[in-house]
Amino acid sequence: GQQLNQSPQSMFIQEGEDVSMNCTSSSIFNTWLWYKQDPGEGPVLLIALYKAGELTSNGRLTAQFGITRKDSFLNISASIPSDVGIYFCAGLQETSGSRLTFGEGTQLTVNP
Amino acid sequence: SAVISQKPSRDICQRGTSLTIQCQVDSQVTMMFWYRQQPGQSLTLIATANQGSEATYESGFVIDKFPISRPNLTFSTLTVSNMSPEDSSIYLCSVEKGTGGVYGYTFGSGTRLTVV
Repeated sequence: GQQLNQSPQSMFIQEGEDVSMNCTSSSIFNTWLWYKQDPGEGPVLLIALYKAGELTSNGRLTAQFGITRKDSFLNISASIPSDVGIYFCAGLQETSGSRLTFGEGTQLTVNP
Repeated sequence: SAVISQKPSRDICQRGTSLTIQCQVDSQVTMMFWYRQQPGQSLTLIATANQGSEATYESGFVIDKFPISRPNLTFSTLTVSNMSPEDSSIYLCSVEKGTGGVYGYTFGSGTRLTVV
């Protein structure tokens, strides 16, 4: 299946710092979704993006749908300890129907 | 929005046995999705389950190993058959319905399976 390249694989930051992670693909996606997964839980939807160029915020989180439709980034501002977890991008392609493709995930560690 | 109840939350099983995982949604949905998440890995789609028809399996997954039932629009089960230690993973169900008014896919909390 189609791959989503997510980077970085892991990040270790100090509380209060800003964080940025991104996903890229060689193919076009129609929808980008960003999820966070805590240990022992399923992924929880953070932000959904539907149009190229779209910039959407959810509290301290901001995500953008790249204008080429082949990438997306997620920013977290002023990180706090509860931001710790694994962040996944996921995308929908026109050719894949309702089947999501997931990135490999970014493990975020926030040191107090 | 959708709320998913998935059970069991975890289990330790003997190799060669089978485990059935249940997924209950609080509203009717057309499609339900089953994923596998191997330790330290991302999510991989196993199959898509539609009510009233056979599930559609992704490459590398077969019905004999992962039979799926979808008896109605709010419920589905995934069975992991003839288990081996390589089947130790988190199994998650998902529906195409968002949460908090945002379109997206909602996931259950997962079933952590350990095969010994």
